[in-house]
Amino acid sequence: NAGVTQTPKFRVLKTGQSMTLLCAQDMNHEYMYWYRQDPGMGLRLIHYSVGEGTTAKGEVPDGYNVSRLKKQNFLLGLESAAPSQTSVYFCASRTGDHVPYNEQFFGPGTRLTVL
Amino acid sequence: GDSVTQMEGPVTLSEEAFLTINCTYTATGYPSLFWYVQYPGEGLQLLLKATKADDKGSNKGFEATYRKETTSFHLEKGSVQVSDSAVYFCALSPPLNSGGYQKVTFGIGTKLQVIP
Repeated sequence: NAGVTQTPKFRVLKTGQSMTLLCAQDMNHEYMYWYRQDPGMGLRLIHYSVGEGTTAKGEVPDGYNVSRLKKQNFLLGLESAAPSQTSVYFCASRTGDHVPYNEQFFGPGTRLTVL
Repeated sequence: GDSVTQMEGPVTLSEEAFLTINCTYTATGYPSLFWYVQYPGEGLQLLLKATKADDKGSNKGFEATYRKETTSFHLEKGSVQVSDSAVYFCALSPPLNSGGYQKVTFGIGTKLQVIP
């Protein structure tokens, strides 16, 4: 199993450009999440999905959109990138509620710089 | 709302020293508590967990005990190694029967540097 994978690993954008980050998991997990990690702020939830075809907003959703057309994939889009979106982005997944605790499995991250 | 408090560090220790990273939390009911570790250039991975009061989670020589009375989940290791250098995140999640999407609340992370 590859676990959770993310592409790309690094990206530099100019202000106003758009891009899509791809997250894929091969563990048949129901839940998927997108976080951003910033110094001194820990991880903040951007959007999440509780199953194929569903998405919902997290703590910091503004400026981002997501889609989960297939169970194994969760896409994060930036329509018009801003310097405030410079961050490290992590995707995570977890299995369903039959497991009695919320262990999340993380991808390796995407480092995004917006100039 | 739920919150997790831990020091940011960095914590610098010599090899074989004793480690404590404090974590306190605010939450209703009995959340599950976690420690995640992030090695340089990698994503977070679960280090240990505890799902009810007085549980002790342990893994790779690390331990943490769920203390409901002090709302704490401090991470300890008796003898650290250079390979333990990483960022450690304390986290909590509501009980599964509380409904909702099971948000995980993370602390800001504590950077540990172990020098030979």
